[in-house]
Amino acid sequence: DTGVSQNPRHKITKRGQNVTFRCDPISEHNRLYWYRQTLGQGPEFLTYFQNEAQLEKSRLLSDRFSAERPKGSFSTLEIQRTEQGDSAMYLCASSPRDRTEAFFGQGTRLTVV
Amino acid sequence: SQQGEEDPQALSIQEGENATMNCSYKTSINNLQWYRQNSGRGLVHLILIRSNEREKHSGRLRVTLDTSKKSSSLLITASRAADTASYFCATDAGSYIPTFGRGTSLIVHP
Repeated sequence: DTGVSQNPRHKITKRGQNVTFRCDPISEHNRLYWYRQTLGQGPEFLTYFQNEAQLEKSRLLSDRFSAERPKGSFSTLEIQRTEQGDSAMYLCASSPRDRTEAFFGQGTRLTVV
Repeated sequence: SQQGEEDPQALSIQEGENATMNCSYKTSINNLQWYRQNSGRGLVHLILIRSNEREKHSGRLRVTLDTSKKSSSLLITASRAADTASYFCATDAGSYIPTFGRGTSLIVHP
């Protein structure tokens, strides 16, 4: 299957710890997105890459969050000094060139205790 | 921030009935998309309608777009229990970044 892959699927961490999530997009998709979703809400945009360049970042994204996409392939999202309010589903999506339709992974569910 | 707002927030119908969900948005768009999300899973793209289109069909799905009213509707005909999911509209104002609403939770009773 060549869909978007996210790892891990679930992560439980203690408050104050750092966590890192990985996303492998569909190959040859040059755009990659990270979203956060809490219960009963729609996905909230976090950041966007076109190839290896991070083109946009939500103003809501605190400086504890950082994302990378080395070589324009997989991407990582790191959250430093996690807080209970970071508990959410973190979704990654990718899109092919010149199209907006986003193909989503299954998400990583983060629980901060 | 959420660009689109879906209405109703929740919808409960019997199998075989039609389900209609609406989406309103605030700013000019290039296109509008609808996605489905089953509980605890990722989103699945259903259909995209461009700003110069008024209606589009895909199987049992019918989407309309009224740019003068900044609104769209998604109609699912002859619903099935498997259509039970949350449905989201997402707008793109030209940045290639889909911006999602809060969604409509649809329950189809067998």
